[in-house]
Amino acid sequence: AQKVTQAQTEISVVEKEDVTLDCVYETRDTTYYLFWYKQPPSGELVFLIRRNSFDEQNEISGRYSWNFQKSTSSFNFTITASQVVDSAVYFCALSEAQYGDKLIFGTGTRLQVFP
Amino acid sequence: DTGVSQNPRHKITKRGQNVTFRCDPISEHNRLYWYRQTLGQGPEFLTYFQNEAQLEKSRLLSDRFSAERPKGSFSTLEIQRTEQGDSAMYLCASSPRDIVAYEQYFGPGTRLTVT
Repeated sequence: AQKVTQAQTEISVVEKEDVTLDCVYETRDTTYYLFWYKQPPSGELVFLIRRNSFDEQNEISGRYSWNFQKSTSSFNFTITASQVVDSAVYFCALSEAQYGDKLIFGTGTRLQVFP
Repeated sequence: DTGVSQNPRHKITKRGQNVTFRCDPISEHNRLYWYRQTLGQGPEFLTYFQNEAQLEKSRLLSDRFSAERPKGSFSTLEIQRTEQGDSAMYLCASSPRDIVAYEQYFGPGTRLTVT
């Protein structure tokens, strides 16, 4: 069964702290894709990253980094030196090759960064 | 290049009425998706099109829901005989490629309130 679990409902940090958002997925497919999206208070989902199941290299983009571990079915997202503008709901999503393009989203983690 | 646009942004309707939403994808994107998001949840897949062909429909898409993309450009989502349970944010996304699981770019959504 396809499933994405984001166990952290809400996280609060103070600016400049590092924060890690957890994502655990379930799939029976060997070819799948993982995504992170940001949903700021304005509501529009913003694409952050796409990773396929054959690429376990970690990725860094500025203050953002992602850790993909197939052994634990996790795709965690770390924000270094958080800023107030990072406050948003973050969604992890899964797409399986055999089920086409639909995205299966987790329930999201609300991140609040206080000044 | 403009992003995905959706109209209207907000819709309030009485139970039993029909409503129609429109989505204009990013120009030349041949894949178009509809999702529904309720408060505190991640988006749930409803249906998607490749050009004018509707390739997949979720079980969530009851017979009261219909989606079209007649010329492979904009799409409409109609809900007939609305129910209070239809109250949600309806999101549209588009994707530029034919390859599987390319990133999807989301519009601002249409918030439906059924009274």
